[in-house]
Amino acid sequence: AQSVSQHNHHVILSEAASLELGCNYSYGGTVNLFWYVQYPGQHLQLLLKYFSGDPLVKGIKGFEAEFIKSKFSFNLRKPSVQWSDTAEYFCAVIPGLTGRRALTFGSGTRLQVQP
Amino acid sequence: NAGVTQTPKFRILKIGQSMTLQCAQDMNHNYMYWYRQDPGMGLKLIYYSVGAGITDKGEVPNGYNVSRSTTEYFPLRLELAAPSQTSVYFCASFDHSRGGGENTGELFFGEGSRLTVL
Repeated sequence: AQSVSQHNHHVILSEAASLELGCNYSYGGTVNLFWYVQYPGQHLQLLLKYFSGDPLVKGIKGFEAEFIKSKFSFNLRKPSVQWSDTAEYFCAVIPGLTGRRALTFGSGTRLQVQP
Repeated sequence: NAGVTQTPKFRILKIGQSMTLQCAQDMNHNYMYWYRQDPGMGLKLIYYSVGAGITDKGEVPNGYNVSRSTTEYFPLRLELAAPSQTSVYFCASFDHSRGGGENTGELFFGEGSRLTVL
């Protein structure tokens, strides 16, 4: 079974600082990868996703993520965070070709941006 | 469209009580899921369904049951509630047909149901 690890449980940044959230997965085959965001009091929303092709994917609100197959990683980045980016971020994986048709989520990273 | 609707939003149960969390979607999605979210643990899949009449266990199915008699509804039943079931529950749906035969993972989530078992 696949698993997802997010290294940082709680990150505190000042506005305009750069962000990088780590995500590693364990699965030997082809995978589809995702980042979801959950703003305070809201449900999860898709931030970006990777299926194939260019390993650098761009999502909404200036976020991007890079898939590095050799490192089994899919780290999320943003050059300059804003107070409104305060939220919890979840990395998720699903087998690309076979396997259960549901996502496996990481434990989440809580991002707090201070004005 | 209302999207994915969950009820109730909050509920307190006593140990041993039973209840049903309701989930409805009006997008005609064939895939539906129940996840539970615990602090620092991410989302764990409880049950899922790929269509009416078809359900399957996820990672943490013990203590729960589901049914899927129609495309729209996917209720989650808790029998003999235990403190370990205190959590936030999310229902989600996905339109498999748009994925071209593959679950591309863009789930639509409900707003969640916060359950406390005392």
